[in-house]
Amino acid sequence: GAGVSQTPSNKVTEKGKYVELRCDPISGHTALYWYRQSLGQGPEFLIYFQGTGAADDSGLPNDRFFAVRPEGSVSTLKIQRTERGDSAVYLCASSPRLAEGYEQYFGPGTRLTVT
Amino acid sequence: AQSVTQPDIHITVSEGASLELRCNYSYGATPYLFWYVQSPGQGLQLLLKYFSGDTLVQGIKGFEAEFKRSQSSFNLRKPSVHWSDAADYFCAVGAQSNDYKLSFGAGTTVTVRA
Repeated sequence: GAGVSQTPSNKVTEKGKYVELRCDPISGHTALYWYRQSLGQGPEFLIYFQGTGAADDSGLPNDRFFAVRPEGSVSTLKIQRTERGDSAVYLCASSPRLAEGYEQYFGPGTRLTVT
Repeated sequence: AQSVTQPDIHITVSEGASLELRCNYSYGATPYLFWYVQSPGQGLQLLLKYFSGDTLVQGIKGFEAEFKRSQSSFNLRKPSVHWSDAADYFCAVGAQSNDYKLSFGAGTTVTVRA
């Protein structure tokens, strides 16, 4: 079956611009996570959704970052006034449910480069 | 808060040799532990996971890992590596809380020489 998909796969933008990154989770998965992976590092948690609501956004670095999941499926990560330090691979993951035995399935990521 | 340390940044092994990747975690209760592999240009793929029960966990691609509570470790092993095992390997810990978010280590890059 189809896995988690993310678009675009690559995004180059200028400093100060606004970007949107999209995540399509596996159909039926209720939990959705965003992570950020900087070069040479492991992924770092940003935000997670259970259904439509952002249940934990403690990993968002500042108020320039925002994410939505209006219908409980597709999610969009939005970054305002991008900075060079935002350059990273943004990973999305989905999970069938929040319970023991859960497993997160990751998408291929969006590589964001801010020039 | 939970955290993970992977002491080895880079490991080089010969094809056919055994491989062991170290992972140490910090968490106050029984953790959920995972190993993921990331090949160039690919997404993270789950190799194996530990929630409870048998502390020796078998995964895909011939990998296994052993949970040792006394050492706060979850080391990954493979008896005989193949050239296709060259990749980045990440250990992760998930908390038994309401969000199950993962904390990842910095990863270990494995190079396989012929």
